[in-house]
This record gives sequence, structure tokens and C-alpha cells, in this order.
Amino acid sequence: KQEVTQIPAALSVPEGENLVLNCSFTDSAIYNLQWFRQDPGKGLTSLLLIQSSQREQTSGRLNASLDKSSGRSTLYIAASQPGDSATYLCAVRRMDSSYKLIFGSGTRLLVRP
Amino acid sequence: ETGVTQSPTHLIKTRGQQVTLRCSSQSGHNTVSWYQQALGQGPQFIFQYYREEENGRGNFPPRFSGLQFPNYSSELNVNALELDDSALYLCASSFEGGRRILSYEQYFGPGTRLTVT
Repeated sequence: KQEVTQIPAALSVPEGENLVLNCSFTDSAIYNLQWFRQDPGKGLTSLLLIQSSQREQTSGRLNASLDKSSGRSTLYIAASQPGDSATYLCAVRRMDSSYKLIFGSGTRLLVRP
Repeated sequence: ETGVTQSPTHLIKTRGQQVTLRCSSQSGHNTVSWYQQALGQGPQFIFQYYREEENGRGNFPPRFSGLQFPNYSSELNVNALELDDSALYLCASSFEGGRRILSYEQYFGPGTRLTVT
């Protein structure tokens, strides 16, 4: 059974700091991994998708890495801003006939001005 | 290109009642997945519809049912509502299958907040 864990559960940093969010998964047989952002009470916004054959993806100040063999992914946020405050969720898609995503519980990020 | 939309935005129901939530897929997508997100938790997979047929189901009882229509929009129906059904219900659409290898990225709607009293 695939389980996804995100550490830390919450993080508070001053503006301008670089930070790393962690995601781990128990079964390395994944098709891809997605990182999402969720603002309070809102839906999910896809940030980055990494295919199982890829090592990393970058979008602006965000960089996501994937180490499938160790079951780990990190989301690196450079020069954090108060507008980055949100919950960040990672989700894996298993390599089977189902197209479902399995989510972690998220990391709540607060960037202090 | 229109994104994923959901209706209604908020809903309050009484225990024992029935509810229908709606989702319109992003243009060109043929797959809809439904997720339940309790407060402070990650979304949990309810079920998925691919070309109008159920293509996988999570650990939810049969009182959670769904439909996908020829235009790939979808409904989630919940019968005999319980207090624990209070959650944010998220719909995601994607394009699956076909001859080209695509990213299979899922796009989420804004969600429906259901409160059961």
C-alpha cells in the first residue's frame, strides 16, 4: 500500500529565506509525482509535475527533485515571499491502471514579512 | 481554454439527506476523479470515471456514487449524509489514454465545501 508523508507539517520562516519541503513515499513504483499549492478553503493549484524518469523540474523560484529509488521528493522555494504562504501538498500516481493520486497531508507554510 | 469548474461552492445539509455535486471538466479531458478533503488532511480518492465508466474506487461506502456524462462532466452523489461527510469535495480532470504519451497531469477545480449538521 502506497503511503505519502510530508515533513514538516508546518513551517514558519522570515521573508527572503530559501526553504525545502520534504515528501516521502513507500512504494517506488510510481508514474509521476505532483506538487500542489492550496490556499485556505480553496482548490489545488498544480505547481510542478515530475515524471518517474525525471530527476527534477523547475518553474521560476520553485525546484522539485525526485529520487524514486529512495522514495523521496523535495520542493525547494528560493527567496520566499509572504505570498508563498499556503499549504503545499505532494501526490504520487501509482504505476497501475488507476489514474488516482495519493496525497500527503501537506506542509503549512507561513512566510513572515 | 476553460478550467475545471464545480458547483455549488458551498452547501449545508442535514444528516440523512442526499446531495449532488457537479463538476465540469477542462476542455479536451476525458477523465474525472473525485476527492474528499477533511480539514487539515490531504485529499482522499473517492472514485474516478474514464469515458463514462468507473475506473477505480477508493475506500468509500456505496452511498457515494457518481456519473460521467458524454460531455465528460460529472456528478458525485452522496446518500444518507453523515456528520463525517463534512469536507471539501474536489474534482480533477485529465486526459488519459490515447496513442501519445502525455503528462497525465490532473487539474483541480475550486471545490465544494459541504457541511452536514
